[in-house]
Amino acid sequence: DTEVTQTPKHLVMGMTNKKSLKCEQHMGHRAMYWYKQKAKKPPELMFVYSYEKLSINESVPSRFSPECPNSSLLNLHLHALQPEDSALYLCASSPPDRLNTEAFFGQGTRLTVV
Amino acid sequence: AQTVTQSQPEMSVQEAETVTLSCTYDTSESDYYLFWYKQPPSRQMILVIRQEAYKQQNATENRFSVNFQKAAKSFSLKISDSQLGDAAMYFCAYRSAGTSGTYKYIFGTGTRLKVLA
Repeated sequence: DTEVTQTPKHLVMGMTNKKSLKCEQHMGHRAMYWYKQKAKKPPELMFVYSYEKLSINESVPSRFSPECPNSSLLNLHLHALQPEDSALYLCASSPPDRLNTEAFFGQGTRLTVV
Repeated sequence: AQTVTQSQPEMSVQEAETVTLSCTYDTSESDYYLFWYKQPPSRQMILVIRQEAYKQQNATENRFSVNFQKAAKSFSLKISDSQLGDAAMYFCAYRSAGTSGTYKYIFGTGTRLKVLA
């Protein structure tokens, strides 16, 4: 299994809603990432988890709350978002060591905040 | 901080022809990795090719090859025999060689490749 699976694929939420994005991989990767991608822009790193611990937070607003319950699962909890948070949210994973390998990406969740 | 620059927002190539996409980067590190990713309209980022900075030999994957110039901090992608399925957004990416969990994949601004039939 060489896939990173993200659910849902599309999400529309109001500014007062609470929702969660889910990401799952079964490749034994111990680093997992959340990226935000606006239209026609490159992915921007939000968070990195290493061995289920948050290792990098790129000064993301607290209305985004990541969680890594186990080595296969990564969540992004959303609360009180703004319309400008509408974007494609990509999850990625990579192996646990210095191997010269790429990050494996999911297909993303297209989020619209209304 | 590392930066990645792609100076060509859009490129076009005739089917079966060759095209080269440019990428430059800035880093003070000596050990790192470089990647080209493809993002079709399906949205999934797909690895095209990778290059280790400590290797002088340019990477090749079938119709895709790179020209890696470490001193110039340049990493261009050549696509030979272009096919309609190559049409996509192409991102150049940099990753430092630290331990997992401490490094980031940093992306350039992207080049949209159009393939003309």
